[in-house]
Amino acid sequence: SQQGEEDPQALSIQEGENATMNCSYKTSINNLQWYRQNSGRGLVHLILIRSNEREKHSGRLRVTLDTSKKSSSLLITASRAADTASYFCATDHMYSGGGADGLTFGKGTHLIIQP
Amino acid sequence: NAGVTQTPKFQVLKTGQSMTLQCAQDMNHEYMSWYRQDPGMGLRLIHYSVGAGITDQGEVPNGYNVSRSTTEDFPLRLLSAAPSQTSVYFCASSYSQLTSTDTQYFGPGTRLTVL
Repeated sequence: SQQGEEDPQALSIQEGENATMNCSYKTSINNLQWYRQNSGRGLVHLILIRSNEREKHSGRLRVTLDTSKKSSSLLITASRAADTASYFCATDHMYSGGGADGLTFGKGTHLIIQP
Repeated sequence: NAGVTQTPKFQVLKTGQSMTLQCAQDMNHEYMSWYRQDPGMGLRLIHYSVGAGITDQGEVPNGYNVSRSTTEDFPLRLLSAAPSQTSVYFCASSYSQLTSTDTQYFGPGTRLTVL
């Protein structure tokens, strides 16, 4: 079952504008990660935020985490055409096998940057 | 380093046929996993392995077998393909089994169609 759900499902903005995507999850987590997927490619790790952190920056990326609301947001500032991609949040999850955890991914936000 | 490689990139099968999707990594990663990605469903974990000789089930394991005889390779076998297995399959690896805190490296994917 899906743990994280991204919102919106699709977002189209002009180059140079900021893009904000949200992720909500259902159960307690240890960490939350964001990944990017370009069309036809595998996922690429962007940033990880721990449950005891509220905000984290990496270049033009800013991630926030609100554990009381079980939600996270990804902000991309000064967007570029190359930022066009799908963005996924991923949370840790313990599967029935036990002994190791795995990640559960949301359905993603498809971001289109108009030149 | 080649990273995570997957073969083939595309495959068409008939219902009932069997095949093996190959995945290899050259980063000496302990943890390897297989996901399937369906439109509107995000990524779902099929099977994972925390080291050579150790495998376990993820969220959607039915219809798939895996083995891990070496650290580098983690093949996914479809014994009797069904149309419901039409999907894009991604292999991923990470240094440790603590997937919640460790960056996952994804392969480029295999697009499988079952007729």
